[in-house]
Amino acid sequence: DAGVTQSPTHLIKTRGQHVTLRCSPISGHKSVSWYQQVLGQGPQFIFQYYEKEERGRGNFPDRFSARQFPNYSSELNVNALLLGDSALYLCASSLEGSGGRGGGETQYFGPGTRLLVL
Amino acid sequence: TQLLEQSPQFLSIQEGENLTVYCNSSSVFSSLQWYRQEPGEGPVLLVTVVTGGEVKKLKRLTFQFGDARKDSSLHITAAQPGDTGLYLCAPRLGGNEKLTFGTGTRLTIIP
Repeated sequence: DAGVTQSPTHLIKTRGQHVTLRCSPISGHKSVSWYQQVLGQGPQFIFQYYEKEERGRGNFPDRFSARQFPNYSSELNVNALLLGDSALYLCASSLEGSGGRGGGETQYFGPGTRLLVL
Repeated sequence: TQLLEQSPQFLSIQEGENLTVYCNSSSVFSSLQWYRQEPGEGPVLLVTVVTGGEVKKLKRLTFQFGDARKDSSLHITAAQPGDTGLYLCAPRLGGNEKLTFGTGTRLTIIP
């Protein structure tokens, strides 16, 4: 079975532009989360979606938005790009995204999209 | 706001040596996960610890959750080049799916 897939793998944009990143979860997984990983740091939570509804949002400006489609794939959109948006954007999928059982559900990460803003 | 610290930030040792990396916080967690991330890849879950004082072993890796559930350690015995990577801890507050990662320990094993 395929793991979490993300596209594109790499992307170069200029300041002020808009970008759309895509994620396909593992088959059967209904929850998708997005993380931003700046060079030298750990991933920072951006959004979680479950059954097409936003379940959680991290401390990111409104320039960041996301959505989940009926097939559970997801898009992350970033408007008015800044140099500081340069990062690895990770998508993670899990079965239900409940987080409340024992140690929580396992999240499976994709390889990420590396975004460079010039 | 929880303060999460991983140490050391960087560690470079010879193949065959032992090492320990740490994850510390002032907050109490319901559980804690350790991940390893290799270049060009997303993080991969290694272990989840839930109970204070819990010790879990995964081949040459030993994970411990502190008695007070505020800290954790990862010990690697006889390190191998394949252990090279970024080790991330991610504590969880109860009922919260969101993962909060530390800054990680970048480990390099020299053959």
